[in-house]
Parts: sequence; structure tokens; C-alpha cells
Amino acid sequence: QVQLVQSGAEVKKPGASVKVSCKASGYTFTSYGISWVRQAPGQGLEWMGWISAYNGNTNYAQKLQGRVTMTTDTSTSTAYMELRSLRSDDTAVYYCARVSGWPEHPFDYWGQGTLVTVSS
Amino acid sequence: SYVLTQPPSVSVAPGQTARITCGGNNIGSKSVHWYQQKPGQAPVLVVYDDSDRPSGIPERFSGSNSGNTATLTISRVEAGDEADYYCQVWDSSSDHPGVFGGGTKLTVL
Repeated sequence: QVQLVQSGAEVKKPGASVKVSCKASGYTFTSYGISWVRQAPGQGLEWMGWISAYNGNTNYAQKLQGRVTMTTDTSTSTAYMELRSLRSDDTAVYYCARVSGWPEHPFDYWGQGTLVTVSS
Repeated sequence: SYVLTQPPSVSVAPGQTARITCGGNNIGSKSVHWYQQKPGQAPVLVVYDDSDRPSGIPERFSGSNSGNTATLTISRVEAGDEADYYCQVWDSSSDHPGVFGGGTKLTVL
């Protein structure tokens, strides 16, 4: 069965970086993409970006350009999301989600989420 | 950037029909996906491409999309349907193409 298992919770200071991992299993990793979505406490869902596991192409939300990098390691079927220059408003649960083919397709399987807390 | 507008809350009695709307400029020209999120859990896809259901999602969940409004309809509502529901589209002309609505809290009375 398809599973996306994310790394554990992180606490970071403002200005630091965080790297969240998302290990996929149960499907051919390179046949799909991964989108990242975050959710601030008590708030709605926010799309952050997408990466193709086939060729590494990316599409980032403009507001995060320059601070976010999404990568994949096909040898371990793992996707990564790194966010730099963290601010307090980056405190959120970060989700990875599988996307079939192009980024406009639905997010059909989700990871369990990773809480990132940014606090001095 | 493209904006999706959802009502903050919808209430319905068990066994009745719930309708959750998602408004956007000419949304009928886009494919709309719907997600259900229960407290402390990751979202789950319940309807995609306006009206298709993933395997394992009950037929009680259906969707439609026309003009400036997409609608998620939940028939014969059960207590277990109480959750937040989010619509989502892809707007390729935007600098933030993956767009979510603000979410609707469905309360089962």
C-alpha cells in the first residue's frame, strides 16, 4: 500500500534552516511527483511547491522563492523540503503529498505531517 | 493570485444532505479537488476532477462544478463526516498556482 512517512518534529530558532524528509513506499517513486503543503496552527492549507521525482523539475510558490528547496533521492525513494531563514510565521505542520504526473493533478496520498516550531 | 472562497461553517443534521460551496472566478473552467481533514490528521482526497471519487470513498460524496461555483455534496450525512473540507485548484497563470480554499467546518448536529 502507498505510504509516505515523514521525519519527526523540529524546533528551530529564527534564521535557522529545517529539512523535512518524506520516504515513499508502495509505488514506483519516479512515476509521480511530490507536493509540499503546510498548515499553520488553527489555519488552512497552503501549497508550497512541487517536485517531479522523474526529472527533478520544480515549481515553487512565489512567496517562498529563494527560501525553499525541494529535492528527491531516487535511490531511497525519499523527497526533501528545506526551508531557510526561518521566521515565527513558518511555524506549521508540513505535509508531503503524492501527485500523479503533473503538479495540477490531485494530492492522492499524504504523509502524516511534520510539526516545525520556530521560536527563540 | 487566484482566490477560492468557502463558507467558514456548514451545519447539518444526521441523514440530511450537506452542500459545501467553493467560489472562484470562472472556476468551472478548472478541475476542482476536495479534501477532508479531521482534527489532528492529514487531509484525505474525497473528490477529484470536479466529480470523481477515489477508491474507498463512499458514493455519498459527490461534486459538481459550473460557472463561478464548485460544490461538494455529502448525502446521508453521518457523525463521522464531521471535519474540515478544503477545495483546491491549479491556476497555471498565478505565481502561487496551487490554490486552496480557506476551508469549511462541517458540523453534524
